[in-house]
Amino acid sequence: QVTLKESGPGILQPSQTLSLTCSFSGFLLSASSVGVGWIRQPSGKGLEWLATIGWEDVKHYNPSLKSRLTISKDTSNNQVFLKITSVDTADTGTYYCAHSDYYYFDYWGQGVMVTVSS
Amino acid sequence: DIQMTQSPASLSASLGETVTIECLASEDIYDILAWYQQKPGKSPQLLIYDASSLHTGVPSRFSGSGSGTQYSLKINSLQPEDFASYYCQNGLSAPLTFGSGTKLEIK
Repeated sequence: QVTLKESGPGILQPSQTLSLTCSFSGFLLSASSVGVGWIRQPSGKGLEWLATIGWEDVKHYNPSLKSRLTISKDTSNNQVFLKITSVDTADTGTYYCAHSDYYYFDYWGQGVMVTVSS
Repeated sequence: DIQMTQSPASLSASLGETVTIECLASEDIYDILAWYQQKPGKSPQLLIYDASSLHTGVPSRFSGSGSGTQYSLKINSLQPEDFASYYCQNGLSAPLTFGSGTKLEIK
């Protein structure tokens, strides 16, 4: 059974760095075609893909945010991390991690709410 | 970047009706397209991948079709649990992009 769960700080101030953790079970990130992605959603709005890390440590980033994003993994502990630097209020929303099979996100975490506020 | 234009933005329908949601890609995405369903307060769930393949456990009243730049999601015989938001997603190339969503409401 594939499960993912996100964790994060809840609230942070503008200009700080947002650190998110995705803890997963039920699959190996070292398996071929497998990846973990991060997707976010401002309240009441649509979905925005942020980054994906793959089984050979291949990383893909959304170019619109690439300079602020770092995705990494700890395969032995089944965790994937995402850092977003210099946050502002536009980064407020729900952040999801999801298992990806090539191009699609077939299993999602429950999401973690992040609020950027001074 | 490949832009995904989804329509309509909202849709009202009755139980038992059939509805269709459209997604137009800004370039050919060779059927590398997914559809997701999202209920309020919940995470999105994969319904369709490769434009027309049903994900495990998804009821057969959901179907996807299309090719090139034009794709559609059809829901037959609407059930109460189908009233939700739906998103298409380009999987051909990064950045992976989603449509703006369609909110399906009960009439």
